[in-house]
Amino acid sequence: DVKVTQSSRYLVKRTGEKVFLECVQDMDHENMFWYRQDPGLGLRLIYFSYDVKMKEKGDIPEGYSVSREKKERFSLILESASTNQTSMYLCASRGDRVRTGELFFGEGSRLTVL
Amino acid sequence: GDSVTQMEGPVTLSEEAFLTINCTYTATGYPSLFWYVQYPGEGLQLLLKATKADDKGSNKGFEATYRKETTSFHLEKGSVQVSDSAVYFCALSDQQNSGYALNFGKGTSLLVTP
Repeated sequence: DVKVTQSSRYLVKRTGEKVFLECVQDMDHENMFWYRQDPGLGLRLIYFSYDVKMKEKGDIPEGYSVSREKKERFSLILESASTNQTSMYLCASRGDRVRTGELFFGEGSRLTVL
Repeated sequence: GDSVTQMEGPVTLSEEAFLTINCTYTATGYPSLFWYVQYPGEGLQLLLKATKADDKGSNKGFEATYRKETTSFHLEKGSVQVSDSAVYFCALSDQQNSGYALNFGKGTSLLVTP
C-alpha cells in the first residue's frame, strides 16, 4: 500500500514564525501536491511538483513556498506565518502524470497560527 | 479552469435510507472524475472513479456514473449505514494543469443516525 506520511499532525505557531510542513511518500511517486482544506471552501491546491527540484504554483501559492530536494520528500514552507494560514494542510502523491490517476493523501497537518 | 460543484450539506439520513449526493462539472476536455471520502480525523481516500463517459465507478455499495450529456457524476448508495458518516468530495483531473492535479468540490458532510 502507498503510504504518505506528514510529519506533524498538529502544530501551533506564532505570527511571523517560519513553519515547515514535511511530507514523505514511500512509493517512488513522481508527483506530489500540497492542498489546504478549509470549511466551506473544500480543498485548494497550493503547489505541486512533478520531479525533483521542479515545482509549479497551484491556485493559492501566495505566502507559501516548497522544496523538493529528494523524490520522496516534499516540504511546504510558510516564510512568515499569518493567522489566515490557520488551516488543515494535506499532502498527496501520484505515480504517473496521467489524468486517470488517483491521488494518495496523508492524514493532514492541522496548523494554528496565533 | 475545470471545476466541480457539489450539493451543500450537511445531509442527515436515517440508517438504511437512500443516498444521493449531486455533483456536476465544468471542463473543456475529457476529465476523469472521482469521489473521495474523509472519515473523522483521517485524510482523504479514494472511494471510486470513472475515466470516460458512461463509465460507472463502484465501491463499498456506492456508485456513480459519468454522464457527459448532463456533465454529472452523482454519488448514490441504496442503504446507508452509520459507518458511512463522513465528508464526501467530488473531484476531477484538471487537464489544463500540467500536473493533472485534482480540483475538488467543497465537500458534503453526511451524518447517518441509527
